[in-house]
Amino acid sequence: DTAVSQTPKYLVTQMGNDKSIKCEQNLGHDTMYWYKQDSKKFLKIMFSYNNKELIINETVPNRFSPKSPDKAHLNLHINSLELGDSAVYFCASSPAGGNQPQHFGDGTRLSIL
Amino acid sequence: QQQVKQSPQSLIVQKGGISIINCAYENTAFDYFPWYQQFPGKGPALLIAIRPDVSEKKEGRFTISFNKSAKQFSLHIMDSQPGDSATYFCAASMSGATNKLIFGTGTLLAVQP
Repeated sequence: DTAVSQTPKYLVTQMGNDKSIKCEQNLGHDTMYWYKQDSKKFLKIMFSYNNKELIINETVPNRFSPKSPDKAHLNLHINSLELGDSAVYFCASSPAGGNQPQHFGDGTRLSIL
Repeated sequence: QQQVKQSPQSLIVQKGGISIINCAYENTAFDYFPWYQQFPGKGPALLIAIRPDVSEKKEGRFTISFNKSAKQFSLHIMDSQPGDSATYFCAASMSGATNKLIFGTGTLLAVQP
């Protein structure tokens, strides 16, 4: 029943490692997003895909690479993890086009030791 | 110009009282202003949204007031309940294919019984 699901919910790893977060939506939406929420709860867009095509690519280190195998999935791979990458990462989806309501997953809390 | 400023950072209201959260923006190209509610451990969820062609929108106990000339909008929660205790984010976006949301910094609301 979950509309936007992310795995894993928690991710604890060492600095320098590579990790992936997976996201799937069953809402039939064409557009998916990745957001980063920092320790002060500030939410910032990282990437957005529309029907597997990258449409938003904010100023994010190129250690972060999104991949969309199909329009229902958007994964986030992070190379060479750094302490500053510790945050909660949210996946979201929406219908295509501007000013559409976005539906968020429950987040993946990434902690770098 | 892409910022959305939100205040207060935190708010304590007695049960039954009115909670008011304010936001201001600079970019006049913004034309969609949603509010999101986030409970601990969960993703943000759309609460209510307004477009600048109306000055007020009400859904149950939640009302958005919009002042286009002042470039300000606010969320009013009437008859606040302990279950409303959460973090509230205002946001803004503009028409276009990307549906990019710019979030405010969030307000932590605590409703005391």
